[in-house]
Amino acid sequence: GAVVSQHPSWVICKSGTSVKIECRSLDFQATTMFWYRQFPKQSLMLMATSNEGSKATYEQGVEKDKFLINHASLTLSTLTVTSAHPEDSSFYICSAGGTAESYEQYFGPGTRLTVT
Amino acid sequence: GQQVMQIPQYQHVQEGEDFTTYCNSSTTLSNIQWYKQRPGGHPVFLIQLVKSGEVKKQKRLTFQFGEAKKNSSLHITATQTTDVGTYFCAGQGIQGAQKLVFGQGTRLTINP
Repeated sequence: GAVVSQHPSWVICKSGTSVKIECRSLDFQATTMFWYRQFPKQSLMLMATSNEGSKATYEQGVEKDKFLINHASLTLSTLTVTSAHPEDSSFYICSAGGTAESYEQYFGPGTRLTVT
Repeated sequence: GQQVMQIPQYQHVQEGEDFTTYCNSSTTLSNIQWYKQRPGGHPVFLIQLVKSGEVKKQKRLTFQFGEAKKNSSLHITATQTTDVGTYFCAGQGIQGAQKLVFGQGTRLTINP
């Protein structure tokens, strides 16, 4: 199946700094990627839909100026958490996929962000 | 907006017992997908259901999609310790958007 990678797999940063997370589709092109956040023992909450070459679509309640998304190529989307605070600590997961033949989404391994 | 409710939130069974999790969407879905997430891991695709009333089987797992395309279930027969994890359903609406709306998940633990 298709492979989606994320980097870094975990990161610890100080409050007030910014962190960039990369999501790559390794063996297929993805015009659309999705960013989710997952708190411990909770479900995945969609944050935004990342569209190649255009602005991301954010879900209600997600601050677009805090969570910057860039989808500059068909294989790479980045999520930057700006001015991170401890409450931003979470598991961030991206996904890509969904074609005319299959709706299947391929998830990256996730990035665990801890803000101290 | 679209909501997907999933029950139960937790389920603990003895190895060998059956397990079922249920999903209910507030709106009609174009398809529903099921994912499994092991502790510390990421969601892994299990199956997608597209047709009204569809039933699909994968070894001990049986997936159903309701006639109205608003509810779904996953049934595991004779659970094994390898079945441990959280099972999520995720629905896609009929509006054409690709985004998935996830249920809350059912966390399955098994007593060997």
